Amino acid sequence: NAGVTQTPKFQVLKTGQSMTLQCAQDMNHNSMYWYRQDPGMGLRLIYYSASEGTTDKGEVPNGYNVSRLNKREFSLRLESAAPSQTSVYFCAGASNSPLHFGNGTRLTVT
Amino acid sequence: DQQVKQNSPSLSVQEGRISILNCDYTNSMFDYFLWYKKYPAEGPTFLISISSIKDKNEDGRFTVFLNKSAKHLSLHIVPSQPGDSAVYFCAAKLPASYGKLTFGQGTILTVHP
Repeated sequence: NAGVTQTPKFQVLKTGQSMTLQCAQDMNHNSMYWYRQDPGMGLRLIYYSASEGTTDKGEVPNGYNVSRLNKREFSLRLESAAPSQTSVYFCAGASNSPLHFGNGTRLTVT
Repeated sequence: DQQVKQNSPSLSVQEGRISILNCDYTNSMFDYFLWYKKYPAEGPTFLISISSIKDKNEDGRFTVFLNKSAKHLSLHIVPSQPGDSAVYFCAAKLPASYGKLTFGQGTILTVHP
């Protein structure tokens, strides 16, 4: 009963490096979401995928790309990391139900 | 422009007493409101929700009240327990946008034994 699994849990990048945050769900959710959480800002939507094969921008998409590889997996890519992308990233899934979140990836960009 | 605001960054309550967490919103088009609870190093977990056509929803110790005219919702926890200590986020959604939530900044609740 893994639910929504995110890897890695922690990551430190240097400015300009790239990386992909992985997310996989075994709850048969149709839609999947990437949010970031910053102090004093709550959670903000980066990108989402309403169904397999579709992706759309959320509130703060700049500097990110996503791939809905299949129904289970939704990855978030930082092509050239910037210090402003230091944050905690949460993946979530939903199917006519409240969002079910993973435990997050804490990313630091130096 | 923060459409959902939690103006109290923190709240401290004695065990057994009532905890009241508040949330204000500005967009009158929101049709559904949710509360999430978050422990350190974990993702937010869904707690309780309310549709905009209702003014109250209750689930055990948790009750959410919605005042549409004031664009205000509150979460009441009675009685509060030390295990309730966590960050609480309120969130709102627009029609036909199920997982696209707008979150408040969060309130840290501490329940003292």
